[in-house]
Amino acid sequence: GNSVTQMEGPVTLSEEAFLTINCTYTATGYPSLFWYVQYPGEGLQLLLKATKADDKGSNKGFEATYRKETTSFHLEKGSVQVSDSAVYFCALGRRGNMLTFGGGTRLMVKP
Amino acid sequence: DGGITQSPKYLFRKEGQNVTLSCEQNLNHDAMYWYRQDPGQGLRLIYYSQIVNDFQKGDIAEGYSVSREKKESFPLTVTSAQKNPTAFYLCASRARSSYNEQFFGPGTRLTVL
Repeated sequence: GNSVTQMEGPVTLSEEAFLTINCTYTATGYPSLFWYVQYPGEGLQLLLKATKADDKGSNKGFEATYRKETTSFHLEKGSVQVSDSAVYFCALGRRGNMLTFGGGTRLMVKP
Repeated sequence: DGGITQSPKYLFRKEGQNVTLSCEQNLNHDAMYWYRQDPGQGLRLIYYSQIVNDFQKGDIAEGYSVSREKKESFPLTVTSAQKNPTAFYLCASRARSSYNEQFFGPGTRLTVL
């Protein structure tokens, strides 16, 4: 079946550090891949997406590349800010227009 | 502004009582979804509806019920049969033209005392 595995958090970084949050998936075919972000006490917001192999999604300085050969969609940012502190969810699109989510990774950025 | 509204933000109920969570969207989206989020965990799908007057069970539907009488509204009832109802509940919607991209509401935190 479909599944998404994310690195466990929390990930704690200093401001301006480089961020990588790993995400790997198991799926049949070539699903669309997503990163969502959840700020404290709020719902999820779509951060970026990629719909086919080798696509790079990007938004607000975050990037992720759809790697078919390694079934991965790692999230990266060159210089994090305190305001990036949140929980990040990797997700894949499955049949029936539904999403399968990873467990989430909490990012804490210290000034 | 278009968006998804969930109310209330915080809800408290006594054990054994049914409770209904509201979800309204003015995005003209056809599909709507309910998820449950537990602390430190990902989202799990409870119910979804692709079109008015039709809905399907998700991965953890036991103890929950829904209705979809209007395109804009998809209320979720947490019944007394749900063994562990305390959680954060998220509603989402999707446009017909969007393959998987879902838009989320702000969530309702339900606490059963």
